[in-house]
Amino acid sequence: EAGVVQSPRYKIIEKKQPVAFWCNPISGHNTLYWYLQNLGQGPELLIRYENEEAVDDSQLPKDRFSAERLKGVDSTLKIQPAELGDSAVYLCASRTMGYSPLHFGNGTRLTVT
Amino acid sequence: GIQVEQSPPDLILQEGANSTLRCNFSDSVNNLQWFHQNPWGQLINLFYIPSGTKQNGRLSATTVATERYSLLYISSSQTTDSGVYFCAAQYAGNMLTFGGGTRLMVKP
Repeated sequence: EAGVVQSPRYKIIEKKQPVAFWCNPISGHNTLYWYLQNLGQGPELLIRYENEEAVDDSQLPKDRFSAERLKGVDSTLKIQPAELGDSAVYLCASRTMGYSPLHFGNGTRLTVT
Repeated sequence: GIQVEQSPPDLILQEGANSTLRCNFSDSVNNLQWFHQNPWGQLINLFYIPSGTKQNGRLSATTVATERYSLLYISSSQTTDSGVYFCAAQYAGNMLTFGGGTRLMVKP
């Protein structure tokens, strides 16, 4: 079984530029999460999807961040415009519905200069 | 939301030593997981353990949900065990919340 796939692995951009991250969850996993992880800290939830519906986006900074999961499978997280403080690792995770183990992708390390 | 605290924050072991990592949480949980984040940043699922005890090789975990804590045991530690260990807890329909992690270094 393939794991959660994220791309790109690394991204370096200048501030004020847009950036997008892509995630393909494990096949059959209805629930998809985007997390942000700052250096030395635990992951923090940005948004959770149940199929194509965003059911928890209270932590997503909506002035510059957006996300979509149009067909309930792949998801894209976008930042526009990026700020220096957005430098972090962006993690995607998925699981089946209900209470089941969460599986993470390898993450995208974003550096904003 | 639920609060998750881990201890100790940092741990240095000599190869071959045993250790116990603790995770306290502030409310009843439906989901409790332990993860290992290796030096390359990958988060690996170790245990899904909302209650009871599980073992996988040199690792085992116990969650006592009524007392709101979980323990991760590492026996005969190896240098490859180094990294950060996270526990994450969830109750009801709320989000999975991570603790601050335990940073483990195993010296040869």
